[in-house]
Amino acid sequence: DTAVSQTPKYLVTQMGNDKSIKCEQNLGHDTMYWYKQDSKKFLKIMFSYNNKELIINETVPNRFSPKSPDKAHLNLHINSLELGDSAVYFCASSLLNSYEQYFGPGTRLTVT
Amino acid sequence: DAKTTQPNSMESNEEEPVHLPCNHSTISGTDYIHWYRQLPSQGPEYVIHGLTSNVNNRMASLAIAEDRKSSTLILHRATLRDAAVYYCILRDVSTGNQFYFGTGTSLTVIP
Repeated sequence: DTAVSQTPKYLVTQMGNDKSIKCEQNLGHDTMYWYKQDSKKFLKIMFSYNNKELIINETVPNRFSPKSPDKAHLNLHINSLELGDSAVYFCASSLLNSYEQYFGPGTRLTVT
Repeated sequence: DAKTTQPNSMESNEEEPVHLPCNHSTISGTDYIHWYRQLPSQGPEYVIHGLTSNVNNRMASLAIAEDRKSSTLILHRATLRDAAVYYCILRDVSTGNQFYFGTGTSLTVIP
């Protein structure tokens, strides 16, 4: 069974479009995260939710809006996509304050 | 958060031990030292973590300097599957739940 899954795996879209990436975990964790890995492989946290509540919001444009319908899901919606949004987006989950975060396989977003 | 410094890249021969260094001279007393690795085209995965004492698990060992200003991740017998980027991360749980990944060390394992 896949622990942390993301859909889609690849996403190619044009500038200005709106897109969503979905994430689900079946580990029973209470905290979920979104990370962005840019072309230079720098991995940066974007958001974190604990029990559906936002607990971390790094300096991310408000075009990015995470939504957590329940503890097992954390979706990322991006409005008005820009070229600089092209990256690999990783979802992760853990128990709150745990040393071990479980990462999904990533979604490669390409904005043309 | 305290910063870490790692070499950009290292090489190792297969089946030999690998010592991956990490400097964290500004570490605070409540910072835990974590190691994650990222295999090609995959998300990061947890390797090991520690506070003051050396730690061993099935994947690796973590040696922490007495003054905690540096640490070393030890892979006892490198395999081709260990080729990855290894990240050394400090985290103070009392100030937040987030990990801040640096640039890491890209490990190449030579057959």
